[in-house]
Amino acid sequence: DVQLVESGGGLVQPGGSLRLSCAASGFTFSDYAINWVRQAPGKGLEWISFISGVKFHTYYADSVKGRFAVSRDNAKNLVHLQMDSLRAEDTAIYYCARDVSDRVGDTYFGIRFDPWGQGTLVTVSS
Amino acid sequence: EIVLTQSPGTLSLSPGERATLSCRASQSVSSSYLVWYQQKPGQAPRLLIYGASNRATGIPDRFSGSGSGTDFTLTISGLEPEDFAMYYCQQYGSSPRYTFGQGTKLEIK
Repeated sequence: DVQLVESGGGLVQPGGSLRLSCAASGFTFSDYAINWVRQAPGKGLEWISFISGVKFHTYYADSVKGRFAVSRDNAKNLVHLQMDSLRAEDTAIYYCARDVSDRVGDTYFGIRFDPWGQGTLVTVSS
Repeated sequence: EIVLTQSPGTLSLSPGERATLSCRASQSVSSSYLVWYQQKPGQAPRLLIYGASNRATGIPDRFSGSGSGTDFTLTISGLEPEDFAMYYCQQYGSSPRYTFGQGTKLEIK
């Protein structure tokens, strides 16, 4: 079974740091990029980060750029999200999701997130 | 930045009825990059439709997607009790790399 499992969430004070992890199983990990998506309480989905499978290209949403850093360890099938300078508005459930697409030559089609992990809750509060 | 606007915000229907959910983009989006997800309370989102009209593995054929350019639609024909949930559209772009619509809540009337 293809599976992603997040961990590392918890309560942290404003200005503090937290590192989330996403453990993958059931597929060739390095073949896939991984995204982080968050959902504030009662709100919609917000994409925040992407890391490619082999070359480790990274992209971030403006809301976290300069504060969050994504990395991966393909030997351990892990992706990490280092979150620094945390703010109250970073309070959310954080999901990791596999980036899937169909490739024809150098063109990618049908890009989608599948599957998603169950999420880990991060609460930023004093 | 491409903004996705979903309508209606809330849709109240009865089991057996047909649901039509809209996702409108502020600029043209390649159909290949338009995706729909379903999310139930306390659960992670689940992939429903990708490439605007392709059902994901295991998704019943009562779910269908259509559209092009700036207007996309998710249709659920013959609502089942388990279909009442939140639905989000998503697109792949340049900056930011991905954006989501704000969601449509499909509730039981």
